[in-house]
Amino acid sequence: AAGVIQSPRHLIKEKRETATLKCYPIPRHDTVYWYQQGPGQDPQFLISFYEKMQSDKGSIPDRFSAQQFSDYHSELNMSSLELGDSALYFCASSLGPGYGEQYFGPGTRLTVT
Amino acid sequence: AQKITQTQPGMFVQEKEAVTLDCTYDTSDPSYGLFWYKQPSSGEMIFLIYQGSYDQQNATEGRYSLNFQKARKSANLVISASQLGDSAMYFCAMRELIDAYSGAGSYQLTFGKGTKLSVIP
Repeated sequence: AAGVIQSPRHLIKEKRETATLKCYPIPRHDTVYWYQQGPGQDPQFLISFYEKMQSDKGSIPDRFSAQQFSDYHSELNMSSLELGDSALYFCASSLGPGYGEQYFGPGTRLTVT
Repeated sequence: AQKITQTQPGMFVQEKEAVTLDCTYDTSDPSYGLFWYKQPSSGEMIFLIYQGSYDQQNATEGRYSLNFQKARKSANLVISASQLGDSAMYFCAMRELIDAYSGAGSYQLTFGKGTKLSVIP
């Protein structure tokens, strides 16, 4: 079965640079979520989109922005990167926002040097 | 206040034995969903099992079952016949569901701190 696709899988950036992470949800899934997992931490919710509209917002820094496109894929844009942004970034998708399972992608490991 | 509590930072189990990973949650919302995810050392987050607050039966998926005790606000994961490949971090998570009429609620999952399970040969 098709799963959530994330690209790139690994990314190395320097401080103050920008990064763009991409997420392709499971076909027919209309809701996308972004999570950040620091080393040894549990995942923290950043933001979500349902039908191309922002549906919920968590602890996303102002330096980050995200959107969902007409084909339901989503991009997380990160600017002025800091060392503390080094983390595993997950995208998850679900069929509808309010119930049912959230399936996670393999994650993008971002390292800021 | 912590919404999801996993009190076991680490657990050991003998191969082929059953193991229970504890999870308690805190919510005043009558509508919520509970999830368990497995995260191996490779990092991916694998969905295991889901339980809705209104589900009458405990969820089961193969060797995984969820022991849902609503009055005690606990949602323990039971893994039967442990295998070496079950060694991983296990996270319990909750979503307080959207109210169909008011639209209130949250889309996000709130995770516990996780339990690291080690299966011993």
